[in-house]
Amino acid sequence: DADVTQTPRNRITKTGKRIMLECSQTKGHDRMYWYRQDPGLGLRLIYYSFDVKDINKGEISDGYSVSRQAQAKFSLSLESAIPNQTALYFCATSDWGVSETQYFGPGTRLLVL
Amino acid sequence: GQQVMQIPQYQHVQEGEDFTTYCNSSTTLSNIQWYKQRPGGHPVFLIQLVKSGEVKKQKRLTFQFGEAKKNSSLHITATQTTDVGTYFCAPEYGNKLVFGAGTILRVKS
Repeated sequence: DADVTQTPRNRITKTGKRIMLECSQTKGHDRMYWYRQDPGLGLRLIYYSFDVKDINKGEISDGYSVSRQAQAKFSLSLESAIPNQTALYFCATSDWGVSETQYFGPGTRLLVL
Repeated sequence: GQQVMQIPQYQHVQEGEDFTTYCNSSTTLSNIQWYKQRPGGHPVFLIQLVKSGEVKKQKRLTFQFGEAKKNSSLHITATQTTDVGTYFCAPEYGNKLVFGAGTILRVKS
């Protein structure tokens, strides 16, 4: 969905490096999420934020941190990248309400050497 | 934590055959969503089921929610090559979605 953008789209980095993945949205949604996707494991939640002042750990937050700079921006950082963090990372947004329909960005493919 | 089992992991069908993927939870669900991810793409919302026994149709796709609200299925009638991709169920636990591992569908033409 073009309303949710992620940068970079692809990244190669080395073990031990710090890396930041950025997500921006123009949908006006309060809720934002970071997932990682690995083959056969589906989408696993790393962190989520229900508004600018709210940050919550997801299922697999170890080794990651996030920053919600504004309603529209949610960044994911790998403080010291390791090879098993090689994965496809998705940002998603949703609106407040009964339905938690999520809108995903195009994804960032990260390779840690 | 909450877990959802989705089967099969992978299915390869001949074009025109039917396809079904199943999603099972050990606990009663408030609702469940289904998403489709095309190869190289991102997950896209298909539908949400809320009521016990609910059945919804989208053209050749039929979605069902079990009477006990612990399982759900997606059935595709007469598959086409445009149906290829990974189908995820995503029950809502608390106020978050938990995605199943997905079923990869490949269609031979």
